[in-house]
Amino acid sequence: GIQVEQSPPDLILQEGANSTLRCNFSDSVNNLQWFHQNPWGQLINLFYIPSGTKQNGRLSATTVATERYSLLYISSSQTTDSGVYFCAVERASSNTGKLIFGQGTTLQVKP
Amino acid sequence: DVKVTQSSRYLVKRTGEKVFLECVQDMDHENMFWYRQDPGLGLRLIYFSYDVKMKEKGDIPEGYSVSREKKERFSLILESASTNQTSMYLCASSLLGTGGMPQHFGDGTRLSIL
Repeated sequence: GIQVEQSPPDLILQEGANSTLRCNFSDSVNNLQWFHQNPWGQLINLFYIPSGTKQNGRLSATTVATERYSLLYISSSQTTDSGVYFCAVERASSNTGKLIFGQGTTLQVKP
Repeated sequence: DVKVTQSSRYLVKRTGEKVFLECVQDMDHENMFWYRQDPGLGLRLIYFSYDVKMKEKGDIPEGYSVSREKKERFSLILESASTNQTSMYLCASSLLGTGGMPQHFGDGTRLSIL
């Protein structure tokens, strides 16, 4: 099956710092999503980005499908950005909607 | 905005009980999914459904069943709950389409089996 690897596994930042999270995947995909899971367990949809670049406030994401990776940028981090960030993909040959999740990056933003 | 609602945020049940977890979405999505999330194991797909009365096994279906009698509602059933089914359960929905469609998640149910 398709492999999804996220790096780094853990990240500690001071408030105001910038960071880049990476997601590598081992096969062609037709769906890639970035999620933020907050401390209460809620999984928030950040980006649906199978290719290209999107921005939403302090967050932006870029997927280079031909090279099988995606990046999530967090600028001017805030304590509310803390939590776990997941990348999830659907294999291009699937057409079932089944997402495969990476293991996540745990981010802690200190005041 | 898409709204996916899970019936309970926290649930405590006893070993051997039959447990129902309910999920409702309000966007007329064809696809619905049940995942469980465990520390160190990430999110794993239990079952999914792409239409009323249709279901497909995910990666870890053992010990679970599902029901989809109406398009908006997808139920996960633990036939005889066991302690190893203590977990966080997440429901999701998406449109059915070629080329992949974004999934939207509910708030999750933390289930404890005693």
